[in-house]
Amino acid sequence: EIVMTQSPATLSVSPGERATLSCRASQSVSSNLAWYQQKPGQAPRLLIYGASTRATGIPARFSGSGSGTEFTLTISSLQSEDFAVYYCQQYNNWPPRTFGQGTKVEIK
Amino acid sequence: QVQLQESGPGLVKPSETLSLTCTVSGGSISSYYWSWIRQPPGKGLEWIGYIYYSGSTNYNPSLKSRVTISVDTSKNQFSLKLSSVTAADTAVYYCAREFRAVAGTVHWYFDLWGRGTLVTVSS
Repeated sequence: EIVMTQSPATLSVSPGERATLSCRASQSVSSNLAWYQQKPGQAPRLLIYGASTRATGIPARFSGSGSGTEFTLTISSLQSEDFAVYYCQQYNNWPPRTFGQGTKVEIK
Repeated sequence: QVQLQESGPGLVKPSETLSLTCTVSGGSISSYYWSWIRQPPGKGLEWIGYIYYSGSTNYNPSLKSRVTISVDTSKNQFSLKLSSVTAADTAVYYCAREFRAVAGTVHWYFDLWGRGTLVTVSS
């Protein structure tokens, strides 16, 4: 099973600033990685797939990069609605699909 | 637009079987993969398994011995059964559509989710 490790666990950022979230895979997942955003009491929402392709309707301030074992989600200028928990998920080697433990982006 | 809605008991006794149904509305269940994902309170996400509308399945090896996912295309529903539950199975259970996109390579992602339902395992 591929283990996904996200860092940091919590990221404190001021509105308007850039946020950089990291995700590491225990072995290569090529570019077969997705990112999701989850707000309290809500289901996750797809942001990125293929490591860097934004899903339909996702604002351009969200961008993904990386391949192999190291990935980054960048939010270029944090808006109030972006404070949430973010999960990475690999779909290269399955079953099972595996998720990271999440990074909480909170208001500084 | 397509919506998913989970339904089933919110409380299950230890050693019994958890049963949930996901109803797909606003679109057909055909031609897609449908997954169950769970999230223990305050924790991360765990993929349980998927079913294709034709009935083929794929399960998380860690749960495979206890999981059955089935589909009823006539009702536009798919279901989850998890047997021999313990307190560790307490979680919010989500149903989700898993989209398979072919763009040079094959991408799988969960593009539609239900709102989730909390299932508590307790006597």
